[in-house]
Amino acid sequence: AQSVSQHNHHVILSEAASLELGCNYSYGGTVNLFWYVQYPGQHLQLLLKYFSGDPLVKGIKGFEAEFIKSKFSFNLRKPSVQWSDTAEYFCAVLLNQAGTALIFGKGTTLSVSS
Amino acid sequence: NAGVTQTPKFRILKIGQSMTLQCTQDMNHNYMYWYRQDPGMGLKLIYYSVGAGITDKGEVPNGYNVSRSTTEDFPLRLELAAPSQTSVYFCATRTDTGELFFGEGSRLTVL
Repeated sequence: AQSVSQHNHHVILSEAASLELGCNYSYGGTVNLFWYVQYPGQHLQLLLKYFSGDPLVKGIKGFEAEFIKSKFSFNLRKPSVQWSDTAEYFCAVLLNQAGTALIFGKGTTLSVSS
Repeated sequence: NAGVTQTPKFRILKIGQSMTLQCTQDMNHNYMYWYRQDPGMGLKLIYYSVGAGITDKGEVPNGYNVSRSTTEDFPLRLELAAPSQTSVYFCATRTDTGELFFGEGSRLTVL
C-alpha cells in the first residue's frame, strides 16, 4: 500500500539552527506533494506544495522543500529557525490529480528553544 | 468567506450516546473529508465525498456515518460513542490540485 514516511518524530533545535525534515513516499506514479504545519491548538495550514516544474519550491515563512524524484523524497528545509516555528509538520502526498485523498505522514514535532 | 466551519468545537459524550459533527464550506469545492487526529498517529481518513450525493469510506470508518446532500454540508455522525472515539476531528475541503483547507477542529471526549 502507498505510504508516506516522516523519519523524524521529534526534533529539538535552538533558534537560528538549520532545519531539515525528511519525507519519503512509496508510489511510482505522478504525485502532488505538500507540507502542512499545525501550530499548537490550531488546525493544519498549507506551508508549501509541489505539482511540477522546478523541484525546489518555496513556501511561507522562509520554508522550502526539494522534490527528488529518484529518491521519492520531499524534504522540508529552513536555514534558520525561530521560536515561532515550534509546531507539528506533516508531509502529504496526492497520488495523481485524479486521486481522492491525500496520504499523510505521521508528523514531526519541532521544538525550538530561544 | 468563512472557508470551512466546524461545530461544535468541544463536546463531551457519555459512552453509548450519539452526536453529529457539523461541517459546512463556502468554497464550492467538490471534495470534502473527515479526518481524526490522535497524538503521534497523524491524520486518519474516516470518510470522504467527491460531490453531493457521493460518499465513501476512508481508513477508519467504523462507528461513523456521513451524508452529503449538498455541496456545502458534510456532517459526520457518531453512533453509540465509545472511548476509542475520543479524538480531534477535522473536516477539510480540497481543490482539484489537492490542496486541503481545514476547519478548526472539533475536540471530542467520550467518557
